[in-house]
Amino acid sequence: NAGVTQTPKFQVLKTGQSMTLQCAQDMNHNSMYWYRQDPGMGLRLIYYSASEGTTDKGEVPNGYNVSRLNKREFSLRLESAAPSQTSVYFCASSGDSYRSNQPQHFGDGTRLSIL
Amino acid sequence: GNSVTQMEGPVTLSEEAFLTINCTYTATGYPSLFWYVQYPGEGLQLLLKATKADDKGSNKGFEATYRKETTSFHLEKGSVQVSDSAVYFCALDNQGGKLIFGQGTELSVKP
Repeated sequence: NAGVTQTPKFQVLKTGQSMTLQCAQDMNHNSMYWYRQDPGMGLRLIYYSASEGTTDKGEVPNGYNVSRLNKREFSLRLESAAPSQTSVYFCASSGDSYRSNQPQHFGDGTRLSIL
Repeated sequence: GNSVTQMEGPVTLSEEAFLTINCTYTATGYPSLFWYVQYPGEGLQLLLKATKADDKGSNKGFEATYRKETTSFHLEKGSVQVSDSAVYFCALDNQGGKLIFGQGTELSVKP
């Protein structure tokens, strides 16, 4: 009953360090997403992957890269972390992005602090 | 571009009170609309959805009706419980499964 699993749950970085946030889903979903959640701003889409082998930019992609490693896994990389990237990051998945009524299933989030 | 606006929180209610959380949207066409709920320390969970005008989504006593005329999707519950304390997000499908979220409304229910 795992659903969407994110690792790590918490991380503290120094400015300029790099790290990769991992996400895996076991629901055989085609589409996966990365969001960031900041106070008073809801969730904003960073990158998404409509299907294995494809990735596209969302609303706030600057400073991030993604890899759709296989159907199950979608990672988010910060190459040179900045304090403005302090946030809670959520991964989500859905059956097919081209079907507009497909709900997204979310992981529990990664709380990232950059000093 | 498309956008979602929710009423600001926090909203504090007594148990068994009536709940309304307002949500209005701006969109071209008729996107699917969603309400998600986030309990403390957890990710978002789908609460309900509506895919076309006049549809009513419902779940766990919560309801919301897709109103094209007023571009609204207000969340209502007749009698809230302490366990309903959470942050509620209104969202629309911005084509291809990409969701646009409102800023979230925190609900606190007191016994």
